Amino acid sequence: KQEVTQIPAALSVPEGENLVLNCSFTDSAIYNLQWFRQDPGKGLTSLLLIQSSQREQTSGRLNASLDKSSGRSTLYIAASQPGDSATYLCAVLGVYGNKLVFGAGTILRVKS
Amino acid sequence: NAGVTQTPKFQVLKTGQSMTLQCAQDMNHEYMSWYRQDPGMGLRLIHYSVGAGITDQGEVPNGYNVSRSTTEDFPLRLLSAAPSQTSVYFCASSPLVDGHEQYFGPGTRLTVT
Repeated sequence: KQEVTQIPAALSVPEGENLVLNCSFTDSAIYNLQWFRQDPGKGLTSLLLIQSSQREQTSGRLNASLDKSSGRSTLYIAASQPGDSATYLCAVLGVYGNKLVFGAGTILRVKS
Repeated sequence: NAGVTQTPKFQVLKTGQSMTLQCAQDMNHEYMSWYRQDPGMGLRLIHYSVGAGITDQGEVPNGYNVSRSTTEDFPLRLLSAAPSQTSVYFCASSPLVDGHEQYFGPGTRLTVT
């Protein structure tokens, strides 16, 4: 059974810092890994999607990497801003059954 | 395109009541699914469907029913609501293509008293 773990559970940083969020998964038989952002009381916003054949994806100040063999992904946020404060979720799509499995998320607070 | 829509946004039920959470998508996606999100936990899959007339159970299906009579709609029914079903429910859809990105609705916040 696929399990997804996100570390740390919560993170508080001053504005301007570069930061890394970690995601690990137990079964490497995946199609892709997706990073989402969720603001309090809101739905999910897709940030980056990395296919299993890719090593990384970039969008603006965000960069996500994937090491499928070791079951790890990182989300790098450059020059963090207070507007980046949110919960960040990673999810993997397994090759069996087209099912997304989510981690519990990292709650990020960027202080001004 | 409206994408994935969900109604209602908020709902309060008493224990034992039944209700249906609505989900619709206008992207002609074959794959649709329902998740629930509880505090401190990620989203967990309740039921999913790979096309009209085909549904299957996810990780936490007990207490929920689904049907898929059209490509566009995938309602989730709570037959007899329990306080343990207090949660935020998300519907998602995607093309039935291996590894395709899934698109999420805005969620329904359900409280069962």
